[in-house]
Formats: sequence, C-alpha cells, structure tokens
Amino acid sequence: GAVVSQHPSRVICKSGTSVKIECRSLDFQATTMFWYRQFPKQSLMLMATSNEGSKATYEQGVEKDKFLINHASLTLSTLTVTSAHPEDSSFYICSATSRTAYNEQFFGPGTRLTVL
Amino acid sequence: AQKITQTQPGMFVQEKEAVTLDCTYDTSDQSYGLFWYKQPSSGEMIFLIYQGSYDEQNATEGRYSLNFQKARKSANLVISASQLGDSAMYFCAMREGLPSGGSYIPTFGRGTSLIVHP
Repeated sequence: GAVVSQHPSRVICKSGTSVKIECRSLDFQATTMFWYRQFPKQSLMLMATSNEGSKATYEQGVEKDKFLINHASLTLSTLTVTSAHPEDSSFYICSATSRTAYNEQFFGPGTRLTVL
Repeated sequence: AQKITQTQPGMFVQEKEAVTLDCTYDTSDQSYGLFWYKQPSSGEMIFLIYQGSYDEQNATEGRYSLNFQKARKSANLVISASQLGDSAMYFCAMREGLPSGGSYIPTFGRGTSLIVHP
C-alpha cells in the first residue's frame, strides 16, 4: 500500500513556541491531505482538509491562525502549531488520498506533541 | 445526530475465537463508503477493509469481513480466529457522496477497544 510519513514522531516544546509537523506521501501524489487531532482514548477529530495548491478548509471550531496548514506540493503538507500552549498537547495524525485511490485514506504514523 | 455509531466501548474475546464489532451509520446519500481501521497502542491507523454502498457482496480481507446490511445501515466488522496482536482500538468510518476535486470528508466513530485474551 501507499506510504505516508510524518515527522517528527514526538516533540516536546515550551509554551509559546511554534511547532511544525510534516506529512509526506512517499510513493504517490496526494491530491488531498487531512489533519486530525486525537485525545487519549477518543476518536479522531478532523481539523482541516487541504488540497494541493489551495487554501486549507478548516472544520468548525478549529482556529486557522493557531493551526497553519500548507499543502505546497503533491507530496508534502505541513501543520504548524503557532504559539503552542499545554492544551495543544495531543496526538496529531495526517492522512492522504490520491486521485486514483480516493476510496482509501493512507495514514501517517502520527506525531505526539507535548507542550510544557 | 452522530453519523457513525459504535455502541461497544470495549470488547473482550478469547484467542482463536471470532468477534463482531458493531457499527451503524446514518446518511441520506446513495453513494457512500464504509471503512474499518485498527489503531494499536503505537497510534498508527491501519486500514483493514472497505465496503462501497453499491457493492453487492460483503467485503472480505483475510481474517476480516464486513457484514454489510444496507437496509439496517449497519457495517459490522467480523474478525475470525482472533490473535493476541488483534488487541487494539477499532474505528468505523464513512465517506459520503462522491469526491469533489479528489477529496471527500470522512467521519469516524468513537471506536471500540478490543482485548484478546490468551
């Protein structure tokens, strides 16, 4: 199956700093990428959908200025958590679909963010 | 109203036994797709099986099968011959309609925690 990588897998940062998480499709062109947030023992919460070359579509209640998403190429999307605070600590997962395999989402391994 | 309902927060099964994880969905679309994912403690989401709304036969992938009952709007996952490595969270998900510009919006259920006993 298609491979999606995510970097870093874990990050610990101080409150007030910004953190960038990268999501890459390694062997296919990702026309759409999704960013999710997951709290312990809970389901995935969709944060935003990004199509290559266009602005991300954010879900209701997700702060656009707080969570900056850039989908600059068909293989790379980035999520930047700006001025992170402890309440932003969570597990962030990206996924990608391709034009030819839109029935399936390929997930990255996730990034665990801890804000001190 | 929730679009995907998983009523079992936790399930236990004996190794080598079969287990069914429930999933019901709510949609008015004619075209939709149903997915099951496994999430072990490592956090990675592992795709298990997919069923399209127009598929007449139940999907199967190795030990996984999807019991698709369209009239009841249910898409239960059946795991046969459970293994210790099957212990994980299992999520049912749905995509509705047809993709627009190559994208659709998926909806996930709350998940079921499965524990396989030796």
